[in-house]
Amino acid sequence: NAGVTQTPKFRVLKTGQSMTLLCAQDMNHEYMYWYRQDPGMGLRLIHYSVGEGTTAKGEVPDGYNVSRLKKQNFLLGLESAAPSQTSVYFCASSYGRRVQADTQYFGPGTRLTVL
Amino acid sequence: GEDVEQSLFLSVREGDSSVINCTYTDSSSTYLYWYKQEPGAGLQLLTYIFSNMDMKQDQRLTVLLNKKDKHLSLRIADTQTGDSAIYFCAEVADSWGKLQFGAGTQVVVTP
Repeated sequence: NAGVTQTPKFRVLKTGQSMTLLCAQDMNHEYMYWYRQDPGMGLRLIHYSVGEGTTAKGEVPDGYNVSRLKKQNFLLGLESAAPSQTSVYFCASSYGRRVQADTQYFGPGTRLTVL
Repeated sequence: GEDVEQSLFLSVREGDSSVINCTYTDSSSTYLYWYKQEPGAGLQLLTYIFSNMDMKQDQRLTVLLNKKDKHLSLRIADTQTGDSAIYFCAEVADSWGKLQFGAGTQVVVTP
């Protein structure tokens, strides 16, 4: 199993450009998440999904959109990139169990720079 | 809102014990987690503790939970250079299982 994979690994954008980050998981997980990691701020949840066809806003959703058309994929879109979106983006997935510890499995990250 | 706090940096000598501390705010959290992030990689679950436990031991790792003070700690015995990483604590922040992460503690192990 590949676990959680993310593409691309690195990307440089100019302000105003758009792009889509792809996350894929092969563990049949119900829940998927997009986080951003900035120095000294830990991980902040952007959007999440509790199942195919569903999405919800997290802590910092502005400037991002997501889609979960297939259970194994979770896409994060930036319609008009801004320098404030320079960050490392992590995707994660989990089974979504409520009655016991629900471990989130993380991808390797995408380092995005917006000039 | 929820806020998980950790010290940002810890330096420890190889072979010594490391103790990483964390305070959380949500007294209803069912699980608390410790994740490890090595350079250039994603987060990897180290261990977790259920809120009705005071202590959990897993090989070199010991987790202590003080619910009264909302304090969580991770002790790493016999710290090795491979333990150099950023360590995040996290609490379950709402009913569907969303995690609230601390800012992370950078642990540097020196020879």
